[in-house]
Amino acid sequence: DVKVTQSSRYLVKRTGEKVFLECVQDMDHENMFWYRQDPGLGLRLIYFSYDVKMKEKGDIPEGYSVSREKKERFSLILESASTNQTSMYLCASTSGGDYNEQFFGPGTRLTVL
Amino acid sequence: DQQVKQNSPSLSVQEGRISILNCDYTNSMFDYFLWYKKYPAEGPTFLISISSIKDKNEDGRFTVFLNKSAKHLSLHIVPSQPGDSAVYFCAAKGNDMRFGAGTRLTVKP
Repeated sequence: DVKVTQSSRYLVKRTGEKVFLECVQDMDHENMFWYRQDPGLGLRLIYFSYDVKMKEKGDIPEGYSVSREKKERFSLILESASTNQTSMYLCASTSGGDYNEQFFGPGTRLTVL
Repeated sequence: DQQVKQNSPSLSVQEGRISILNCDYTNSMFDYFLWYKKYPAEGPTFLISISSIKDKNEDGRFTVFLNKSAKHLSLHIVPSQPGDSAVYFCAAKGNDMRFGAGTRLTVKP
């Protein structure tokens, strides 16, 4: 059974804190993605990675960075959390084929106070 | 700039009836379309997809229709069941994947 796991289901942080969100997949997928989901806006792509140590900006990369040191792990970093980064964060992965569907983790609900 | 739009934030249907969820897109470069289902506290899960070379794809109770000229796709669920109650996201793929805002479907017993 394929699996994408995220380190926390719920997280509460203070403004200005550095926040790490971890994602691990066990499917040997090349591609990994970080999205945020906000009401009325759907899923918006923050960053993605198509290989170890490779990263590409998505639609809304500002205020975020990522790290992919191992194939199975993709980390999202909020350098200095702000209240407008309160959101649901979803990690996804997919194999290298163009049209494969993405497999999502359960999400991390981040609240920044 | 929302290239994929789901204009109905919610839909309520009676068990056994048909559910029709709609999605419109603006980018003619999209060539593959997917529907995902999301339950509360879970990540989205893939439901059904369609390539732009087709106009219909069926999988059990779920059928996706694509009208390229209208840049419109729809998901039909027949018959609807209470377990289908979830948020449904439409997604379109070109150079990257774009998601709609989602439609919350409630199927009443």
